[in-house]
Amino acid sequence: EPEVTQTPSHQVTQMGQEVILRCVPISNHLYFYWYRQILGQKVEFLVSFYNNEISEKSEIFDDQFSVERPDGSNFTLKIRSTKLEDSAMYFCASRRDTLPQETQYFGPGTRLLVL
Amino acid sequence: AQSVTQLGSHVSVSEGALVLLRCNYSSSVPPYLFWYVQYPNQGLQLLLKYTTGATLVKGINGFEAEFKKSETSFHLTKPSAHMSDAAEYFCAVSLEYGNKLVFGAGTILRVKS
Repeated sequence: EPEVTQTPSHQVTQMGQEVILRCVPISNHLYFYWYRQILGQKVEFLVSFYNNEISEKSEIFDDQFSVERPDGSNFTLKIRSTKLEDSAMYFCASRRDTLPQETQYFGPGTRLLVL
Repeated sequence: AQSVTQLGSHVSVSEGALVLLRCNYSSSVPPYLFWYVQYPNQGLQLLLKYTTGATLVKGINGFEAEFKKSETSFHLTKPSAHMSDAAEYFCAVSLEYGNKLVFGAGTILRVKS
């Protein structure tokens, strides 16, 4: 069964450093998402991406964040200058088409720790 | 703005007992409703979803949920808990014209032998 994959599974970085989190969505999916979950808090929406552009972003997704689909398979989340409060589990998800009732399939997550 | 409330951050049941995980939503339009499960060190896996039609929805692993519009609820149940059901469960909503999922805080289910 196709699945969403994410690398790395864990990343430790120093405050102020740039990190890139990578995701490979399911191959015939068109919509891509990033969510995050700070320890002990809710899973929060960050951004959705369709047709090579951001379709929606949350207040969390400020100028320090960017997303890219550099080739036909990868979908990346970049944090330019990490802060302590960026420490969280980051989930990538993908969906086949535009209907909101379609299932979003999630990857296993990348646990980011900013020191 | 829509929101999701899951009553009880931790629920503990005995093996073979009924599982009931509560979810209430707030939405200005009829939502689409989802339950996801997360096993340790794994991603979020869809258990079941309500879109339209029958309000009692059956999912994987013997779980089901009932959409009750009058109560704005979508509680998850399973008649008989199994040890393998121990995980964290998330209720989520999506709007008709929206894209994103809005999640509840999650409920950790513990199953005692």
